[in-house]
Amino acid sequence: EVQLVESGGGMVQPGGSLRLSCAASGFTFSTYWMTWVRQAPGKGLEWVGNIKHDGSEKYYVDSVKGRFTISRDNAKNSLYLQMNSLRAEDTAVYYCARYLVRGYGDDFDIWGQGTMVTVSS
Amino acid sequence: DIQLTQSPSCLSASVGDRVTITCRASQGISSYLAWYQQKQGKAPKLLIYTVSTLQSGVPSRFSGSGSGTEFTLTISSLEPEDFATYYCQQLKSYPLTFGGGTKVEIK
Repeated sequence: EVQLVESGGGMVQPGGSLRLSCAASGFTFSTYWMTWVRQAPGKGLEWVGNIKHDGSEKYYVDSVKGRFTISRDNAKNSLYLQMNSLRAEDTAVYYCARYLVRGYGDDFDIWGQGTMVTVSS
Repeated sequence: DIQLTQSPSCLSASVGDRVTITCRASQGISSYLAWYQQKQGKAPKLLIYTVSTLQSGVPSRFSGSGSGTEFTLTISSLEPEDFATYYCQQLKSYPLTFGGGTKVEIK
């Protein structure tokens, strides 16, 4: 079964750090782009960033550039999101997803269940 | 950045109704348009990619159409399990963006 499982969420104080993990199974992880998407409570979806299958390219939304870092370990079938200098506005459910690059119209075809991050003092 | 405007933001409909949701892009996005369904407390689920291609396992009552900057998601006959929030997404250029969502409620 194709599956993504996030972990690592929790409560952290403003200015703090947190590392999210996403464990992939059921597909050849090393051949796919991956992505992080977040959703603040009661709000819509916001793309956070992408990483190429070999980690050689990464893209981020402006609001997290310089604070968040996406990485992956293909040997462990794992995706990570290192979040530093956290702010209250980073409070959200964070989803990892598989980014299917078709070349003529891409999409996020597989999603994890999400992990909640709360930034509060 | 490419902005996506969904309309309506909320609609009330009955089982059996035909429902149409519109997504307008601030610039042309070719075929890089996907639609997702999200139920309360759950992760989004891919419904349609490349404007009109149904994801495997998605019922045929869902369809997508459009080109350029205007796109639509249509549910031909609403079923009870279709009450959810729907999002369009453009994957033409960074930053990737989602529409604001359309919540489909029971009338």
